[in-house]
Amino acid sequence: DTEVTQTPKHLVMGMTNKKSLKCEQHMGHRAMYWYKQKAKKPPELMFVYSYEKLSINESVPSRFSPECPNSSLLNLHLHALQPEDSALYLCASSQDSGNTQYFGPGTRLTVL
Amino acid sequence: GDSVTQMEGPVTLSEEAFLTINCTYTATGYPSLFWYVQYPGEGLQLLLKATKADDKGSNKGFEATYRKETTSFHLEKGSVQVSDSAVYFCALSDRDGGFKTIFGAGTRLFVKA
Repeated sequence: DTEVTQTPKHLVMGMTNKKSLKCEQHMGHRAMYWYKQKAKKPPELMFVYSYEKLSINESVPSRFSPECPNSSLLNLHLHALQPEDSALYLCASSQDSGNTQYFGPGTRLTVL
Repeated sequence: GDSVTQMEGPVTLSEEAFLTINCTYTATGYPSLFWYVQYPGEGLQLLLKATKADDKGSNKGFEATYRKETTSFHLEKGSVQVSDSAVYFCALSDRDGGFKTIFGAGTRLFVKA
């Protein structure tokens, strides 16, 4: 099974809402990632978890809060977002650093 | 720091034409090199990869060779199909560089029937 799943597929939220994005993989990978992708741009790394510990935080605003409850799950909690946060949010996983990353289909987020 | 430069698109080809998308990189270590493809409305998926100099990655008729002397990893396909229309990202990842993957800007390919 080489699948990374993400829910929801689409999300529309107001600037005062709190919502969460979910990601799951069952490949036994030890690293999980959150990326933000704007239209016609490459993915921008937001966070990396390695062995369930936050390894990289790319100076992401605190209105984005990641969580890794266990080795298969990754959440991204959203609060007080801005319209410019509207984007495709991609989750990925890899066996280790330097390895192939497996991406989920993404959550298309719109902030009104 | 490490970087990836790939040719700007969009690239428009007729079906059965030959495809080349250029990619060059700079890296201080010995990175693995990747081509990822993103179809409309989807996430990225690995197309092919090479982990050391002179390795050739291949998949679905696409090929790329890791050239250390020219720091290049150009993507080629002999005969494109309409279904190959997508955005292609060249990327590098260095095991010693932690978990960061450096992506190129992406090249959008349109294939006409």
